[in-house]
Amino acid sequence: KQEVTQIPAALSVPEGENLVLNCSFTDSAIYNLQWFRQDPGKGLTSLLLIQSSQREQTSGRLNASLDKSSGRSTLYIAASQPGDSATYLCAVRPSNFGNEKLTFGTGTRLTIIP
Amino acid sequence: DGGITQSPKYLFRKEGQNVTLSCEQNLNHDAMYWYRQDPGQGLRLIYYSQIVNDFQKGDIAEGYSVSREKKESFPLTVTSAQKNPTAFYLCASSIDPGSGYEQYFGPGTRLTVT
Repeated sequence: KQEVTQIPAALSVPEGENLVLNCSFTDSAIYNLQWFRQDPGKGLTSLLLIQSSQREQTSGRLNASLDKSSGRSTLYIAASQPGDSATYLCAVRPSNFGNEKLTFGTGTRLTIIP
Repeated sequence: DGGITQSPKYLFRKEGQNVTLSCEQNLNHDAMYWYRQDPGQGLRLIYYSQIVNDFQKGDIAEGYSVSREKKESFPLTVTSAQKNPTAFYLCASSIDPGSGYEQYFGPGTRLTVT
C-alpha cells in the first residue's frame, strides 16, 4: 500500500529565503506526482505535476523535482514571500492504467515571516 | 469562468439526518471525485466517477452515496450510517481518467453534524 510522507509538518522561514519542501513515497511505481497548495478553509490549487518520466517541472518561483527510484520529490520555492504562506501537499498516482486513486501526504504548513 | 463549484460552503445538520453536498463543474471533464479531509490526515477518497452513470467506491465509501446522471454534476449524500461525518469535503475533476492529467479541486464544503 502506497504511503506518502511530508516532513516537516510545519516550517517557518523569514521572507526572501529560498526553501525546500520534501515529499517521500514508499512505492516507486507511480504514474505522476502532483504538488498542491491549500489556504486555510479553502480547496486545493494545483501547482505542478511531474510525470514519472520527468526529472523536474518549473513554474515561476517554484521548481519541483522527482527521483522515482528513491521515492522522493522536493518543491523548491525561491525568494519566499508572505503570500506563499499555506499548506503544501503532494500526491502520487499509481502507474497501473486507469487507476485514478491519488494518495496524499498530510502536508507541510509553511509560514513566511515578514 | 471555468471551474468547480461546491455548495454550500458551510453545512450544519443534526445527527441522524441525511445531507447532500453539491458539486458542479463546467470544465467538460470526464472524471470527478469526492475526498474527505480531516485535521492531521491526508485527503481520503470517498467515491469517484470516470464517466456518466458509472462510479466506483474509494477507500472510505461506507456511509456515503453518489450519483452521476450528468457529466457536470456529482452530488454526494452523507447518510446517517456515516459514523463520523463532520469533516471538510472536497470535490475534484480531471479531463480523462486514463491520461494522467492533473486533478482540479473545488473550494470545499465544511459539514458539521451535532
